[in-house]
Amino acid sequence: DTGVSQDPRHKITKRGQNVTFRCDPISEHNRLYWYRQTLGQGPEFLTYFQNEAQLEKSRLLSDRFSAERPKGSFSTLEIQRTEQGDSAMYLCASSPGHGPGQPQHFGDGTRLSIL
Amino acid sequence: AQTVTQSQPEMSVQEAETVTLSCTYDTSESDYYLFWYKQPPSRQMILVIRQEAYKQQNATENRFSVNFQKAAKSFSLKISDSQLGDAAMYFCAYRSAIGDKIIFGKGTRLHILP
Repeated sequence: DTGVSQDPRHKITKRGQNVTFRCDPISEHNRLYWYRQTLGQGPEFLTYFQNEAQLEKSRLLSDRFSAERPKGSFSTLEIQRTEQGDSAMYLCASSPGHGPGQPQHFGDGTRLSIL
Repeated sequence: AQTVTQSQPEMSVQEAETVTLSCTYDTSESDYYLFWYKQPPSRQMILVIRQEAYKQQNATENRFSVNFQKAAKSFSLKISDSQLGDAAMYFCAYRSAIGDKIIFGKGTRLHILP
């Protein structure tokens, strides 16, 4: 068990550019979640996958955001035409999925800074 | 919609003392899960303790225990024998039994005074 891995740890980009983040969940965890955390706030849910199926999306996830989990393993989160307000920490989490109330295990996050 | 409220943005406690972090939540559901997560300066979120709403017994994990008051929708975290390594942001969180997303409070920053 190597934990949830996120890449990159930090991303600095100019407004208007596209960015993509990657998340590798704990192996055999079939549920994967994306959250966004702005300074001084708790994480806010963005979306989650069970295997390759995207089951829920928050209204926070505008049409500039897209997430994929093509083979039910790693996931990517893409933000197109970045805006200042996208600056945040993007957290990924995974859980086994079986049984109720399974805790989610979080990665270190990707910190996005928009210049 | 469910909400989670942490009314203490920051707290301080002397090393070896006991501290209680408060959390209230709002829900119309009867079955759910409550969590306390710790986020140290390195920023990886770590699960501290979990409580199932259908269990009356308060959860405990070593020095960490909760006071779960379902009728009052209150879920406080008690840390006994505080240690320097306990310094972190603490988030109270709610998860429905029928959903998967976690709803977090805004957090309480805990300082441990040596």
